[in-house]
Parts: sequence; C-alpha cells; structure tokens
Amino acid sequence: EIVLTQSPGTLSLSPGERATLSCRASQSVSSSYLAWYQQKPGQAPRLLIYGASSRATGIPDRFSGSGSGTDFTLTISRLEPEDFAVYYCQQYGSSSWTFGQGTKVEIK
Amino acid sequence: EVQLVESGGGLVQPGRSLRLSCTASGFTFGDYAMSWVRQAPGKGLEWVGFIRSKAYGGTTEYAASVKGRFTISRDDSKSIAYLQMNSLKTEDTAVYYCTRVRAGATSFDIWGQGTMVTVSS
Repeated sequence: EIVLTQSPGTLSLSPGERATLSCRASQSVSSSYLAWYQQKPGQAPRLLIYGASSRATGIPDRFSGSGSGTDFTLTISRLEPEDFAVYYCQQYGSSSWTFGQGTKVEIK
Repeated sequence: EVQLVESGGGLVQPGRSLRLSCTASGFTFGDYAMSWVRQAPGKGLEWVGFIRSKAYGGTTEYAASVKGRFTISRDDSKSIAYLQMNSLKTEDTAVYYCTRVRAGATSFDIWGQGTMVTVSS
C-alpha cells in the first residue's frame, strides 16, 4: 500500500500570503491518480485538484497543483479567508485509494 | 443539481449490523462507480471501498480494515448505493461519506454530507 505523507502538519499564514503544501508518496504515483481535497469544519471534503494539476469544476485559479513521481505540491497563490481549512492529498492504485493525514492551514 | 444524500447512520452495539444508503440525483447513477469514505472523530479520511458501474462488471473492492465485514451494493433502478456493515467494532465509529468516482477512477468529485455511525455498548 502506498503511504502518503503530508507536510507540514499545520501551516500558519495570513490572508494574502502564499501557501505551499507538500505530499510525498512512499513509492511512485501516476500523476493521473493524484488528487487534492479541501475540508472545512463540519463539511464534507471538496475536490480541488485531480490528475495532479487539473482544477476541478468551480475551483478558483489561485489553487494549483504540481509534481510527479513521489513528490506533489498544492499551492494557494494568495490566501483568501475562506481558504483556511484542512487539505488532503489522495492517490489511486491497485484498485484502492489512500489519503494523506492532512495539512491544516490556519490563520496566523 | 448533482447530489448524494446518505442515510441510515446511528448508534449500534459492537458486533451488530447496520446498513447505510446513498441516494443520488442529478446525474445518470448507473454510469458511475461509487465509493464510501469514512472519517473517525477528529481524524483524517479513510477510504472504505467502492463498487464499479455495471459497464465494468459492478464488482467491488475494499480496504483491508473492513474486508469480509462490509459489503457495498447498488440499485441502479433506484439510484442508490448501499454499505452493509456487519460485525461492527468500536473503531468503525466515524462519519461515513458516499462519493461519486470521477470518470477515469482518478478521484471523488461529488460527496454526500455524511452520516454518523457510532459503535458503542
């Protein structure tokens, strides 16, 4: 089973700042099968990025994904107040999915 | 509007069974694989299992933690996916989300609001 490790665990930033979230896989992941989700308290997760770099429907262009192999990154170019949340990466392989443990982006 | 609505959660004793339902609307349910994801209180997301569309055999896959105890099925005529949970353990306590698998099996593009399952004596 591929293990995804996200870092940092918590990111303390101010609105307007740039956020860089990391997701590292224990073995190579196809870029086609790497996704990112956002979850706010009391809400279901929401798909942000699929295929490592494609934005899902309705996702603002301040969110971008990049990476390949074992290292992937989610970047939020300028944090808006509604972006403070927990972010999860996810991979698909061998007919199963795994999630990273999450990165919390909190207001500094 | 594309929507998934879970139901059937509640309090159940260890060792007992519970069946969750996921009712879909706003899209052609039979064209999509469906998956279940859970989240224990204060914890991260854990994939539970999924069922392929009939076009891909309607077969299922499960996480090791639930294999042999949980069963996913679907009724395309009613646009409902089910999660039958048997031999429940306290560690199965979680919010259970139903999700639509995006075409190409890459990710989960639609999520329900979740239903809470509490396993406790």
